[in-house]
Amino acid sequence: GAVVSQHPSRVICKSGTSVKIECRSLDFQATTMFWYRQFPKKSLMLMATSNEGSKATYEQGVEKDKFLINHASLTLSTLTVTSAHPEDSSFYICSANDPLGTSGGAHYEQYFGPGTRLTVT
Amino acid sequence: GDSVTQMEGPVTLSEEAFLTINCTYTATGYPSLFWYVQYPGEGLQLLLKATKADDKGSNKGFEATYRKETTSFHLEKGSVQVSDSAVYFCALQGGSEKLVFGKGTKLTVNP
Repeated sequence: GAVVSQHPSRVICKSGTSVKIECRSLDFQATTMFWYRQFPKKSLMLMATSNEGSKATYEQGVEKDKFLINHASLTLSTLTVTSAHPEDSSFYICSANDPLGTSGGAHYEQYFGPGTRLTVT
Repeated sequence: GDSVTQMEGPVTLSEEAFLTINCTYTATGYPSLFWYVQYPGEGLQLLLKATKADDKGSNKGFEATYRKETTSFHLEKGSVQVSDSAVYFCALQGGSEKLVFGKGTKLTVNP
């Protein structure tokens, strides 16, 4: 089955520093990846859609200069939280779909990573 | 725009009780519908899905039927186990690849 990994699983950083989170599709090619943010006891909020080889598409209200997304290859997307502040502390989850069906799944199916817990002190 | 409304809970049940988590949606066209489950500290796992009206998705004893006439996709299980304790999310996928999630329902099953 299709597997998506995220690294790191947990990170603690000081206010003002930047943090990079990686999202990898391990056994399929993901032309599109999605980045979500999950607040405690809240649903997932889609932050942006990451397209391989092109600029990410950000959802309304998400600061593109603060949440930098790079999708440099068909198996890797990165989210960099720049100049992090305590209010950026959250659970960040990525997902990827497999439009070419290389994983054997349906083209529309999204596979989720295990998430990254970011704590900014 | 597209939206999903599900009962927020929390829901607390005893083992072997019957479970229903309601989910209704608003969408243009004919979306695909999903239930995802999130265990503590983990990401989301697809539980079941239905891609057209009257389809029934099922997995691990859970079922949900795509009801176009009532725009609903309620999740049911006849006999829950302690290991089913998790947060359950209803979601839809319309014309784009984006998933739209409900707010999630926390289920706790006691022995």
